[in-house]
Amino acid sequence: QVQLQESGPGLVKPSQTLSLTCTVSGASITSGGYYWSWIRQHPGKGLEWIGYIYYSGSAYYSPSLQSRVTISRDTSKNQFSLKLNSVNAADTAVYYCASRRGVDTATGYHYGMDVWGQGTAVTVSS
Amino acid sequence: AIQMTQSPSSLSASVGARVTITCRASQGIGNRLGWYQQKLGKAPKVLIYGASTLQSGVTSRFSGSGSGTDFTLTISSLQPEDSATYYCLQDYDFFTFGGGTKVEIK
Repeated sequence: QVQLQESGPGLVKPSQTLSLTCTVSGASITSGGYYWSWIRQHPGKGLEWIGYIYYSGSAYYSPSLQSRVTISRDTSKNQFSLKLNSVNAADTAVYYCASRRGVDTATGYHYGMDVWGQGTAVTVSS
Repeated sequence: AIQMTQSPSSLSASVGARVTITCRASQGIGNRLGWYQQKLGKAPKVLIYGASTLQSGVTSRFSGSGSGTDFTLTISSLQPEDSATYYCLQDYDFFTFGGGTKVEIK
């Protein structure tokens, strides 16, 4: 069974780079069809998709964050990572990593994001 | 970018009530929609994918319908443990969440 665990600093100074890692167990991040996503949730607010890295290594980002975000992976450690640069207070949020398996062959439908990490709170403050 | 408009933003209903939440996409997305439940302080949990397919292990009280631009999540008989915030998520063009619906029990 796939499990995800976020890790990284809980406090980042303004203008610096937020760096988080998601450690995956129970599946390889190169397993066919998998999407590995980052999502965040501002305090008391809704969910915001940040981006994902596909099992192939291709990464895609939210247009609203694209200029500041990089998602990468370390296949030797079975981890994928988020870097968000030039942070400010508006980047204070709980950050989640999540996975999606791809297509349900029984229905032809794309699966939902069915495994999530517990989330990690990041505060941007000096 | 595709916008997802969810309504209502909150509702309060009695145990046993039938509850409906809607999500409208700013353009057609086929059946590329999922529904998620998030309880306070917890990560979201997928309930429905492909607009109408119940995620394995999820109670059949939850059902989804719709295609194109208009989608519905229905809770057939509201239970105390259904108190949560519900989100739709389109994955037709990258991903976009709806704004959420907070469901409370009267």
